[in-house]
Amino acid sequence: QKEVEQDPGPLSVPEGAIVSLNCTYSNSAFQYFMWYRQYSRKGPELLMYTYSSGNKEDGRFTAQVDKSSKYISLFIRDSQPSDSATYLCAMSEGDDKIIFGKGTRLHILP
Amino acid sequence: GAGVSQSPSNKVTEKGKDVELRCDPISGHTALYWYRQSLGQGLEFLIYFQGNSAPDKSGLPSDRFSAERTGGSVSTLTIQRTQQEDSAVYLCASSLKPAGANVLTFGAGSRLTVL
Repeated sequence: QKEVEQDPGPLSVPEGAIVSLNCTYSNSAFQYFMWYRQYSRKGPELLMYTYSSGNKEDGRFTAQVDKSSKYISLFIRDSQPSDSATYLCAMSEGDDKIIFGKGTRLHILP
Repeated sequence: GAGVSQSPSNKVTEKGKDVELRCDPISGHTALYWYRQSLGQGLEFLIYFQGNSAPDKSGLPSDRFSAERTGGSVSTLTIQRTQQEDSAVYLCASSLKPAGANVLTFGAGSRLTVL
C-alpha cells in the first residue's frame, strides 16, 4: 500500500458545480497536510495548508482533515474553467520529506 | 531571481549517457527537494537537503542517481548511464525552513527524454 492514495481521475464537472477531491493515507504520524495545484507544464503551487485535523477555508476552497480516518479532502465551490488543473495532495510528519499523491486531473466544463 | 530556477528546461539524451540537472533555489531557503514526475505517477520523492544536515536520500531509485548541494545553495542532480525509464520531469523545490511547517516553491522542472 502506498503511503498516500489519490484517484488520478480525470474528473469532469460543469462550471459552477462543487468539486470534491480526496486522498487517503496510511502513516498516522503525518501532521501537515497540503493541497497543491499544477497547471500543464508548470511546477505545482501551494493552494491550501492545514496542520493536524480540522477545516480551513480560503475563498472558494475548503480543506478538511480527518486524522482518525486518515482522510483529507479539498472542496471547490462555484468551480470555474480556470480551476481546471491537476490537484495534488501532500503530507509530512514535520521536519522531513513531503509525500505527494499522484494528483487528480480536474476539468471544469464551461 | 525571485523563484526557483531549473536548467535545462528540456534535455534529450541517448541511453547510456550521463546527465546533470541544475537547481537554483530561492536565496536564503535552507531546504531543497528533488522530485520526479512521470506520466500517471505523480510526484515521486527523490532527495531532501536541509541546511548542513546529511541529506535524506531514501527516494533515489538506484545508485545511478546522485545529488549534491554546494554551499547550501545550488543543487545538481546527476543521472549516470541513463535508461529510457528515467524519462520524466524532474522538479526542484525549496523552502525557507523545514518544509513540513512551510511552503514549497517549485521550479518549472527539467523535462528529460532518454532515447
